[in-house]
Amino acid sequence: EAGVTQFPSHSVIEKGQTVTLRCDPISGHDNLYWYRRVMGKEIKFLLHFVKESKQDESGMPNNRFLAERTGGTYSTLKVQPAELEDSGVYFCASSQGPGLGTDTQYFGPGTRLTVL
Amino acid sequence: QKEVEQNSGPLSVPEGAIASLNCTYSDRGSQSFFWYRQYSGKSPELIMSIYSNGDKEDGRFTAQLNKASQYVSLLIRDSQPSDSATYLCAVRATNAGKSTFGDGTTLTVKP
Repeated sequence: EAGVTQFPSHSVIEKGQTVTLRCDPISGHDNLYWYRRVMGKEIKFLLHFVKESKQDESGMPNNRFLAERTGGTYSTLKVQPAELEDSGVYFCASSQGPGLGTDTQYFGPGTRLTVL
Repeated sequence: QKEVEQNSGPLSVPEGAIASLNCTYSDRGSQSFFWYRQYSGKSPELIMSIYSNGDKEDGRFTAQLNKASQYVSLLIRDSQPSDSATYLCAVRATNAGKSTFGDGTTLTVKP
């Protein structure tokens, strides 16, 4: 069974540009999460999809970030326009259960975003 | 105050020793507790989950939870060089998928 995949693995962009990150969850997993880790800080939650619906987007930093999960399969996270402080590693995770506290979340390898 | 705090590390132990990793959390509503291992440049990998007070053992790993003290720990017995990694503590409320992570503790096991 394939794990969570993310694309690209690395992205280097200039401030003001747009970047779109993609996450493919494990097949059959209704729950999809986005997290990010900026340099020197802890991994922080961004949002949680259940199928195509946003269950919790309390961690989205501002309206420059747009997450979508059309059709309830893969998800994209767009940053537009990118700022220097957006640099970090963006992780995607998925889980099979009801999206509650006991679900096992499987993490992808992350996308390392560098904004210059 | 951070929501989840881990011992700052780095932690270095000799091969065969017990490594002890600690984590405290501030939200008393937290009900699920997780330890992830992350090798450099790789994804976090779940190694232990614990939901009830007490100890939970899985092979060389033991997780300990004390909700009254808001404290969770991970013991690694007979540490191996392959255990060298960053260990992340994460907590969740019962009805939420959102995980709150600590900064992580970097463990080095010296042969």
